[in-house]
Amino acid sequence: DQQVKQNSPSLSVQEGRISILNCDYTNSMFDYFLWYKKYPAEGPTFLISISSIKDKNEDGRFTVFLNKSAKHLSLHIVPSQPGDSAVYFCAASEGGNNNDMRFGAGTRLTVKP
Amino acid sequence: NAGVTQTPKFRILKIGQSMTLQCTQDMNHNYMYWYRQDPGMGLKLIYYSVGAGITDKGEVPNGYNVSRSTTEDFPLRLELAAPSQTSVYFCASTPGQGAYGYTFGSGTRLTVV
Repeated sequence: DQQVKQNSPSLSVQEGRISILNCDYTNSMFDYFLWYKKYPAEGPTFLISISSIKDKNEDGRFTVFLNKSAKHLSLHIVPSQPGDSAVYFCAASEGGNNNDMRFGAGTRLTVKP
Repeated sequence: NAGVTQTPKFRILKIGQSMTLQCTQDMNHNYMYWYRQDPGMGLKLIYYSVGAGITDKGEVPNGYNVSRSTTEDFPLRLELAAPSQTSVYFCASTPGQGAYGYTFGSGTRLTVV
């Protein structure tokens, strides 16, 4: 069962514009939501997270928004840069004793110069 | 600071062979995980460990085994390799629960022929 879904396999934006990556989830027990970035031939790297008690978290050019009622979160990158071109994974966790995460299938972002 | 180190980076196995994927972290993290990523899919949890001597199954444990004799090492054993185990395998660690992101290794690309 796919508890975390990223419905857009790819996104292309112009350098300097905003990139918006979306993620939906089905498990209402998720308490933590994270975004990872992955370059080819490398492991994912942690980007930003948000807990379910918040609706927004910001870190430099990256902002994550959480809408619990809609079970939806999004990652905004402003302004987008060519170096942001990568695959972005959304992940969610219930926390708990094992802290395991469920991952979406990823969205490939291409930022054109 | 090496982070999470995985070896080998690539491997081709014949059906029925066995192998061990190595994973070592030098951050003194208690939590460690093994994920696999199939093309176009998100990462799926194979096994995890919350500390030395403690392991448990994830979503897709069949055909795999793990051990955790030290905090640093978390090897993944494939017994009787099958084509369905062709995938990219990622090891990850994290210091605790909640919004802590995982630190991933660079992955092992395994092909079973």
